[in-house]
Amino acid sequence: DAGVIQSPRHEVTEMGQEVTLRCKPISGHDYLFWYRQTMMRGLELLIYFNNNVPIDDSGMPEDRFSAKMPNASFSTLKIQPSEPRDSAVYFCASSLAPRQAPAGDTEAFFGQGTRLTVV
Amino acid sequence: QQPVQSPQAVILREGEDAVINCSSSKALYSVHWYRQKHGEAPVFLMILLKGGEQKGHDKISASFNEKKQQSSLYLTASQLSYSGTYFCGTAGGYQKVTFGTGTKLQVIP
Repeated sequence: DAGVIQSPRHEVTEMGQEVTLRCKPISGHDYLFWYRQTMMRGLELLIYFNNNVPIDDSGMPEDRFSAKMPNASFSTLKIQPSEPRDSAVYFCASSLAPRQAPAGDTEAFFGQGTRLTVV
Repeated sequence: QQPVQSPQAVILREGEDAVINCSSSKALYSVHWYRQKHGEAPVFLMILLKGGEQKGHDKISASFNEKKQQSSLYLTASQLSYSGTYFCGTAGGYQKVTFGTGTKLQVIP
């Protein structure tokens, strides 16, 4: 498997524009995560899905952010309108279902990230 | 809430040892450790489940004390390849893993 694939790798956009980040998880993985990384906050979990269903979006900073997972092999993170403070590296990660209850015991595989710059 | 890592940064000479600590204010089911090299994605090192176990990965090992809600990562006889930022992630019982702000480790010759 090629691993988690994200596109684009780099995105430069003007403030106010819509930005869409894309992710293809590893085939067979049940969970998909979107993280944002900045120097100040480190790796922040924005939202995660289980079997294409959003489970927890409490990390999504504002209504300007939205994420979808229309099928098991594709997810998008959209920012509309974008602002300079959204500049960060956005990672997508996927993992298998937990081996035992309650959960939290399977590793996440990260994509290479999308470096977003909003000017 | 994010777990708290310490130290924030450390510089080692090759062959020296280091300990990175991770603590949480919430009850934990598991602790995850990842390493990220500059410009790359985080890479999995190990997961520790509650039970006070200790795990090893080459010369890198970790312990987890769920009563204290703490974990420590031990790097022994450090190598240049150990350089990077180490993140601990904590999970309170679901697949939701919350990461700390990271510890930047630099190993110099």
